[in-house]
Amino acid sequence: DQQVKQNSPSLSVQEGRISILNCDYTNSMFDYFLWYKKYPAEGPTFLISISSIKDKNEDGRFTVFLNKSAKHLSLHIVPSQPGDSAVYFCAARATDSWGKLQFGAGTQVVVTP
Amino acid sequence: DVKVTQSSRYLVKRTGEKVFLECVQDMDHENMFWYRQDPGLGLRLIYFSYDVKMKEKGDIPEGYSVSREKKERFSLILESASTNQTSMYLCASSLQGEGYTFGSGTRLTVV
Repeated sequence: DQQVKQNSPSLSVQEGRISILNCDYTNSMFDYFLWYKKYPAEGPTFLISISSIKDKNEDGRFTVFLNKSAKHLSLHIVPSQPGDSAVYFCAARATDSWGKLQFGAGTQVVVTP
Repeated sequence: DVKVTQSSRYLVKRTGEKVFLECVQDMDHENMFWYRQDPGLGLRLIYFSYDVKMKEKGDIPEGYSVSREKKERFSLILESASTNQTSMYLCASSLQGEGYTFGSGTRLTVV
Protein backbone atom coordinates (compact mmCIF):
# COMPACT_ATOMS: atom_id res chain seq x y z
CA ASP A 1 0.00 0.00 0.00
CA GLN A 2 1.44 3.34 -1.05
CA GLN A 3 2.29 5.52 1.92
CA VAL A 4 2.82 8.60 -0.24
CA LYS A 5 0.05 9.54 -2.65
CA GLN A 6 -0.12 12.04 -5.44
CA ASN A 7 -3.68 11.84 -6.63
CA SER A 8 -3.34 14.12 -9.64
CA PRO A 9 -1.43 12.36 -12.42
CA SER A 10 -1.30 15.51 -14.51
CA LEU A 11 -1.60 19.28 -14.30
CA SER A 12 -1.76 21.83 -17.08
CA VAL A 13 -1.03 25.48 -16.25
CA GLN A 14 -0.52 28.62 -18.23
CA GLU A 15 2.90 30.26 -18.25
CA GLY A 16 3.12 32.90 -15.52
CA ARG A 17 0.38 31.38 -13.40
CA ILE A 18 0.73 29.36 -10.21
CA SER A 19 1.19 25.57 -10.23
CA ILE A 20 0.01 23.74 -7.12
CA LEU A 21 0.98 20.11 -6.67
CA ASN A 22 -0.48 18.08 -3.84
CA CYS A 23 0.77 15.12 -1.86
CA ASP A 24 -0.78 13.10 0.96
CA TYR A 25 0.89 10.60 3.26
CA THR A 26 -0.25 8.01 5.73
CA ASN A 27 2.81 7.20 7.84
CA SER A 28 3.00 9.39 10.96
CA MET A 29 6.69 8.45 11.33
CA PHE A 30 7.66 10.50 8.30
CA ASP A 31 9.76 13.44 9.45
CA TYR A 32 11.28 14.79 6.26
CA PHE A 33 9.70 15.51 2.91
CA LEU A 34 11.21 16.24 -0.46
CA TRP A 35 10.16 17.15 -3.97
CA TYR A 36 12.04 15.88 -7.00
CA LYS A 37 11.68 16.95 -10.60
CA LYS A 38 12.23 14.57 -13.50
CA TYR A 39 12.64 15.21 -17.20
CA PRO A 40 12.27 12.33 -19.69
CA ALA A 41 15.34 10.10 -20.03
CA GLU A 42 16.99 11.75 -17.01
CA GLY A 43 17.19 10.88 -13.35
CA PRO A 44 15.15 12.87 -10.82
CA THR A 45 16.80 15.97 -9.41
CA PHE A 46 16.22 17.42 -5.97
CA LEU A 47 14.02 20.50 -5.88
CA ILE A 48 13.11 21.44 -2.33
CA SER A 49 12.56 19.82 1.05
CA ILE A 50 10.92 20.47 4.40
CA SER A 51 11.39 19.08 7.87
CA SER A 52 8.38 18.09 9.93
CA ILE A 53 9.22 20.81 12.47
CA LYS A 54 8.40 23.47 9.88
CA ASP A 55 5.24 24.29 8.00
CA LYS A 56 6.75 26.21 5.11
CA ASN A 57 9.98 26.36 3.16
CA GLU A 58 10.69 28.70 0.29
CA ASP A 59 13.38 28.69 -2.38
CA GLY A 60 12.96 31.21 -5.15
CA ARG A 61 9.88 30.35 -7.18
CA PHE A 62 9.27 27.17 -5.21
CA THR A 63 7.47 26.93 -1.86
CA VAL A 64 6.54 23.77 0.00
CA PHE A 65 3.81 23.80 2.64
CA LEU A 66 3.36 21.07 5.22
CA ASN A 67 0.17 20.40 7.17
CA LYS A 68 1.06 17.67 9.62
CA SER A 69 -2.39 17.32 11.14
CA ALA A 70 -3.83 16.64 7.69
CA LYS A 71 -0.79 14.63 6.58
CA HIS A 72 -0.66 16.80 3.50
CA LEU A 73 1.98 18.79 1.69
CA SER A 74 1.90 20.92 -1.39
CA LEU A 75 4.39 22.47 -3.78
CA HIS A 76 3.70 25.90 -5.22
CA ILE A 77 5.55 27.15 -8.29
CA VAL A 78 5.14 30.85 -8.96
CA PRO A 79 5.37 31.97 -11.70
CA SER A 80 5.30 28.82 -13.79
CA GLN A 81 7.72 28.69 -16.71
CA PRO A 82 7.91 26.39 -19.75
CA GLY A 83 11.07 24.78 -18.31
CA ASP A 84 8.99 23.63 -15.35
CA SER A 85 7.25 21.09 -17.59
CA ALA A 86 8.33 17.80 -16.02
CA VAL A 87 7.18 15.04 -13.70
CA TYR A 88 7.25 16.00 -10.02
CA PHE A 89 7.64 13.37 -7.33
CA CYS A 90 6.80 13.84 -3.70
CA ALA A 91 8.97 11.79 -1.32
CA ALA A 92 9.05 11.18 2.41
CA ARG A 93 11.48 9.69 4.87
CA ALA A 94 10.76 8.11 8.23
CA THR A 95 12.91 8.35 11.32
CA ASP A 96 15.41 5.49 11.58
CA SER A 97 14.75 4.28 8.05
CA TRP A 98 18.37 4.23 6.82
CA GLY A 99 17.55 7.24 4.72
CA LYS A 100 15.06 5.34 2.56
CA LEU A 101 12.64 7.52 0.67
CA GLN A 102 9.08 6.56 -0.19
CA PHE A 103 7.89 8.19 -3.39
CA GLY A 104 4.51 9.11 -4.75
CA ALA A 105 3.36 8.19 -8.25
CA GLY A 106 4.28 11.59 -9.66
CA THR A 107 2.43 14.48 -11.28
CA GLN A 108 3.11 15.46 -14.89
CA VAL A 109 3.13 19.24 -15.16
CA VAL A 110 2.70 20.90 -18.54
CA VAL A 111 3.22 24.65 -18.73
CA THR A 112 1.58 26.14 -21.81
CA PRO A 113 2.51 29.48 -23.42
CA ASP B 1 28.91 17.82 -7.63
CA VAL B 2 28.18 14.23 -6.75
CA LYS B 3 27.98 12.08 -9.79
CA VAL B 4 26.07 8.85 -10.01
CA THR B 5 26.78 6.95 -13.19
CA GLN B 6 24.71 4.10 -14.54
CA SER B 7 26.58 2.03 -17.07
CA SER B 8 23.86 1.78 -19.72
CA ARG B 9 21.11 4.16 -20.81
CA TYR B 10 19.22 1.55 -22.82
CA LEU B 11 19.29 -2.25 -22.68
CA VAL B 12 17.34 -4.92 -24.52
CA LYS B 13 17.52 -8.42 -23.09
CA ARG B 14 15.79 -11.71 -23.75
CA THR B 15 13.52 -13.50 -21.31
CA GLY B 16 15.54 -15.78 -19.05
CA GLU B 17 18.83 -13.91 -19.42
CA LYS B 18 20.82 -12.86 -16.39
CA VAL B 19 21.11 -9.07 -16.43
CA PHE B 20 23.56 -6.85 -14.60
CA LEU B 21 22.91 -3.15 -14.05
CA GLU B 22 25.87 -1.24 -12.72
CA CYS B 23 25.95 1.97 -10.72
CA VAL B 24 28.98 3.94 -9.56
CA GLN B 25 29.10 7.05 -7.35
CA ASP B 26 32.13 9.24 -6.79
CA MET B 27 31.48 11.01 -3.47
CA ASP B 28 32.02 8.36 -0.84
CA HIS B 29 28.32 8.05 0.01
CA GLU B 30 27.42 5.32 2.47
CA ASN B 31 23.93 4.67 1.14
CA MET B 32 23.03 3.40 -2.29
CA PHE B 33 19.62 2.48 -3.66
CA TRP B 34 17.97 0.83 -6.63
CA TYR B 35 14.49 1.91 -7.68
CA ARG B 36 12.32 1.13 -10.64
CA GLN B 37 9.96 3.67 -12.15
CA ASP B 38 6.71 2.59 -13.77
CA PRO B 39 3.82 4.76 -15.00
CA GLY B 40 1.21 5.33 -12.31
CA LEU B 41 3.35 3.63 -9.66
CA GLY B 42 6.12 6.16 -9.19
CA LEU B 43 9.47 5.02 -7.86
CA ARG B 44 9.53 1.76 -5.96
CA LEU B 45 12.50 0.63 -3.90
CA ILE B 46 14.03 -2.69 -4.93
CA TYR B 47 17.11 -2.93 -2.70
CA PHE B 48 19.36 -0.62 -0.77
CA SER B 49 22.75 -0.79 0.88
CA TYR B 50 24.07 1.25 3.79
CA ASP B 51 27.62 -0.08 3.72
CA VAL B 52 29.95 -2.34 1.78
CA LYS B 53 28.63 -5.91 1.65
CA MET B 54 25.47 -4.81 3.48
CA LYS B 55 22.13 -5.00 1.72
CA GLU B 56 18.50 -4.72 2.65
CA LYS B 57 15.36 -5.60 0.73
CA GLY B 58 13.13 -2.79 -0.34
CA ASP B 59 9.46 -3.00 -1.25
CA ILE B 60 9.75 -5.14 -4.40
CA PRO B 61 12.89 -7.36 -4.17
CA GLU B 62 11.43 -10.45 -5.84
CA GLY B 63 13.38 -11.47 -8.92
CA TYR B 64 16.33 -9.23 -8.08
CA SER B 65 19.55 -9.42 -6.14
CA VAL B 66 22.31 -6.90 -5.47
CA SER B 67 26.02 -6.75 -4.85
CA ARG B 68 28.11 -4.14 -3.12
CA GLU B 69 31.74 -5.26 -2.97
CA LYS B 70 33.13 -1.72 -3.01
CA LYS B 71 31.70 1.44 -1.50
CA GLU B 72 31.38 3.25 -4.80
CA ARG B 73 29.67 0.47 -6.76
CA PHE B 74 26.22 -1.04 -6.35
CA SER B 75 25.05 -3.63 -8.85
CA LEU B 76 21.51 -4.81 -9.50
CA ILE B 77 21.11 -8.34 -10.85
CA LEU B 78 18.08 -9.77 -12.56
CA GLU B 79 18.59 -13.49 -12.06
CA SER B 80 16.29 -14.53 -14.91
CA ALA B 81 14.81 -11.57 -16.73
CA SER B 82 11.08 -11.55 -17.35
CA THR B 83 8.89 -9.23 -19.40
CA ASN B 84 7.36 -7.72 -16.25
CA GLN B 85 10.81 -6.41 -15.37
CA THR B 86 10.72 -4.08 -18.35
CA SER B 87 11.08 -0.71 -16.68
CA MET B 88 13.21 2.35 -16.00
CA TYR B 89 15.80 1.52 -13.35
CA LEU B 90 17.21 4.32 -11.25
CA CYS B 91 20.22 4.19 -8.96
CA ALA B 92 20.73 6.76 -6.20
CA SER B 93 23.23 7.46 -3.47
CA SER B 94 23.18 9.58 -0.32
CA LEU B 95 24.97 10.42 2.84
CA GLN B 96 23.18 9.30 5.97
CA GLY B 97 20.30 11.65 6.67
CA GLU B 98 20.46 13.55 3.40
CA GLY B 99 18.54 13.47 0.15
CA TYR B 100 19.42 11.39 -2.87
CA THR B 101 21.49 12.02 -5.95
CA PHE B 102 20.16 9.95 -8.83
CA GLY B 103 21.81 8.53 -11.90
CA SER B 104 20.33 9.12 -15.34
CA GLY B 105 18.53 5.79 -15.37
CA THR B 106 18.64 2.62 -17.45
CA ARG B 107 15.68 1.84 -19.67
CA LEU B 108 15.51 -1.97 -19.71
CA THR B 109 13.33 -3.82 -22.18
CA VAL B 110 12.91 -7.57 -21.79
CA VAL B 111 11.61 -9.31 -24.90
